[in-house]
Amino acid sequence: DAGITQSPRYKITETGRQVTLMCHQTWSHSYMFWYRQDLGHGLRLIYYSAAADITDKGEVPDGYVVSRSKTENFPLTLESATRSQTSVYFCASSEGGLRSGANVLTFGAGSRLTVL
Amino acid sequence: GESVGLHLPTLSVQEGDNSIINCAYSNSASDYFIWYKQESGKGPQFIIDIRSNMDKRQGQRVTVLLNKTVKHLSLQIAATQPGDSAVYFCAEIRSNDYKLSFGAGTTVTVRA
Repeated sequence: DAGITQSPRYKITETGRQVTLMCHQTWSHSYMFWYRQDLGHGLRLIYYSAAADITDKGEVPDGYVVSRSKTENFPLTLESATRSQTSVYFCASSEGGLRSGANVLTFGAGSRLTVL
Repeated sequence: GESVGLHLPTLSVQEGDNSIINCAYSNSASDYFIWYKQESGKGPQFIIDIRSNMDKRQGQRVTVLLNKTVKHLSLQIAATQPGDSAVYFCAEIRSNDYKLSFGAGTTVTVRA
C-alpha cells in the first residue's frame, strides 16, 4: 500500500532493552522525521533526515539512534530503553525540506511504546 | 519553553456551530504556520497552512487567520460536524530554523 507505515503499532518492553521502531514510506520523499508525543508536550522532534545517509538531531535526541541507509526507511532505535521513553512515536515524511514549497509533513499512524 | 501554544486545551462545540481554535506564538521570526488535526489513534493530518505574508487563507470549511501584530493564529471551522472531533495542533517554522515546532494541542468535542 502506498503511504507511510510504522511498525510495530504497539510495543511493551523492559528497562534496559533495545527497541527498534520501523518507518517505511513509498513516496520516495527526501525528508523523514521522528517525533514523540506526550501529554502536555505536543509533538517533539527527535531526529530528522534530509536524505539517505544524512541525519540530524532534533529537540530531544538523547537516548535515541537513527539510520537511513535507504531513502524509504528510517528506523529509530532506543539502545537501552528507559521509563521516560514511554510515549507514542510518530514518523513523518515530506517531499521537500520544511522551507521549500513541498513542505507538508505526512505522518504515520504512530507506535505506542511502553517501557516497564 | 515552547514558542507556540494554544489558548485553551479543550473546546466543546454544538454540532452545526462554528468553531474557533486559537494559537499564540512568541517568536516574531516565525514565518510559516500549519494546522494539523489528530483523530484518536491516528497520526496528525495536515489541514491548512499560511505564510507570514498573508493574513487569511481559506480551505474547505476551514479558515486560518494570522495576526502578526499580536502574534496570534486561529483556525475557524464552519458548521462543525461530529467528524471534526479531534485534537488540533498549530505548528510553526521559524525563518532561522528548519524544524517544525508544535503547540500542545486543543481537544475539540462536538456535541450532537
